[in-house]
Amino acid sequence: VVMTQSPVILSVSPGERAILSCRGGQRVNSKLAWYQQKPGQAPRLLIYDTSTRATGVPARFSGSGSGTEFTLTISSLRSEDSAVYYCHQYNNWPSTFGQGTKVEVK
Amino acid sequence: QVQLVQSGAEVKKPGSSVRVSCRSSGDTLDTYTISWVRQAPGQALEWMAGIIPIFGTSNYAQNFQGRVALSADKSTSTVYMELSSLTSDDTALYFCARGYSSQTQFDFWGQGTLVTV
Repeated sequence: VVMTQSPVILSVSPGERAILSCRGGQRVNSKLAWYQQKPGQAPRLLIYDTSTRATGVPARFSGSGSGTEFTLTISSLRSEDSAVYYCHQYNNWPSTFGQGTKVEVK
Repeated sequence: QVQLVQSGAEVKKPGSSVRVSCRSSGDTLDTYTISWVRQAPGQALEWMAGIIPIFGTSNYAQNFQGRVALSADKSTSTVYMELSSLTSDDTALYFCARGYSSQTQFDFWGQGTLVTV
């Protein structure tokens, strides 16, 4: 299942809201996760099952969506949120990832 | 705190094989699956294979079928990934990642092992 993320690069000012999109080539039901990856680091799980925040993830990160359309929202961007964000569907085998959205904090 | 610690970077010649290890500390692997995910330069993350360490059973993505083999040493909570017939296209960062199955979110990741062919 091809996962398509948009935009490729998102530049947002601190304190503003960032909205990242992920579209699946097939329905993935609620089996959708989001990861944050900073340079030189492994991906970090932020959201799973579309909208459940992983342990320790700040409340400014939220996920929503259904079917084939999903969104990660960062409600008030902070400088430490600069990273690449990947969506990941695990409803269809094998699980697949999007190409990533790079978030830049202005 | 759970940690997955991977072996160090490798430089390999085309046609050879590479073996990467992933050791779990802070928790057992009894109720988890360890998957391998690779990240080639400029490419998306790609799930390769997964193993249930307590049973030693594995499944593999079609793209890697016949070229990748997973094994586990329960006594040391270590999982091994061997990739054979290497080509330059296999140059990538290889991650191990923990999940409740191969078809689930991955809650902990190793630090990554760079394999250069």
